[in-house]
Amino acid sequence: AQSVTQLGSHVSVSEGALVLLRCNYSSSVPPYLFWYVQYPNQGLQLLLKYTSAATLVKGINGFEAEFKKSETSFHLTKPSAHMSDAAEYFCAVKSGGSYIPTFGRGTSLIVHP
Amino acid sequence: DGGITQSPKYLFRKEGQNVTLSCEQNLNHDAMYWYRQDPGQGLRLIYYSQIVNDFQKGDIAEGYSVSREKKESFPLTVTSAQKNPTAFYLCASTLARGADTQYFGPGTRLTVL
Repeated sequence: AQSVTQLGSHVSVSEGALVLLRCNYSSSVPPYLFWYVQYPNQGLQLLLKYTSAATLVKGINGFEAEFKKSETSFHLTKPSAHMSDAAEYFCAVKSGGSYIPTFGRGTSLIVHP
Repeated sequence: DGGITQSPKYLFRKEGQNVTLSCEQNLNHDAMYWYRQDPGQGLRLIYYSQIVNDFQKGDIAEGYSVSREKKESFPLTVTSAQKNPTAFYLCASTLARGADTQYFGPGTRLTVL
């Protein structure tokens, strides 16, 4: 069984501040983990993914995430928020035996000037 | 450019009508998926197809139907049996069954009048 929990449906930061979006997963086998971004009225775009190589994964637009097995977490971070980062972010998990990923409920990132 | 197209972008339906949402991909991907997105609920899987002429129900298939007669096309019909069809519908594809990264179309927003 696989599941994912995103803590906080909304996160608000000031421009230039650290972005931290939280994701915890549950999986009976080593998982694949993903972060996707969705801009208003658009589809999802892959930001980054973890597939059992390096635990610190770098993605597009300056985002990165760290896989921590002991904490079953895959939090997304960015050192300095830009206004253009305002969007919905989804964490997803796919275990080796499943063909279909499970998505979290999403976190809306709000960036204030 | 390769990608996934969905049409129309906005669709309005009267109660009791069936409507069909189009999804086409030119990525030469084997597997295709339909998701429904409602605010605060993340993505929920409606149907998926791993190969041509084969498809399986997802978590919320009731009131929906699909076909997969061609590799590049996976249309979704929202029937009158779907009691609350107003939502944002996303089509996705993967290179093969079990492949990790999903590629998404831009979505169709369906509103029932």
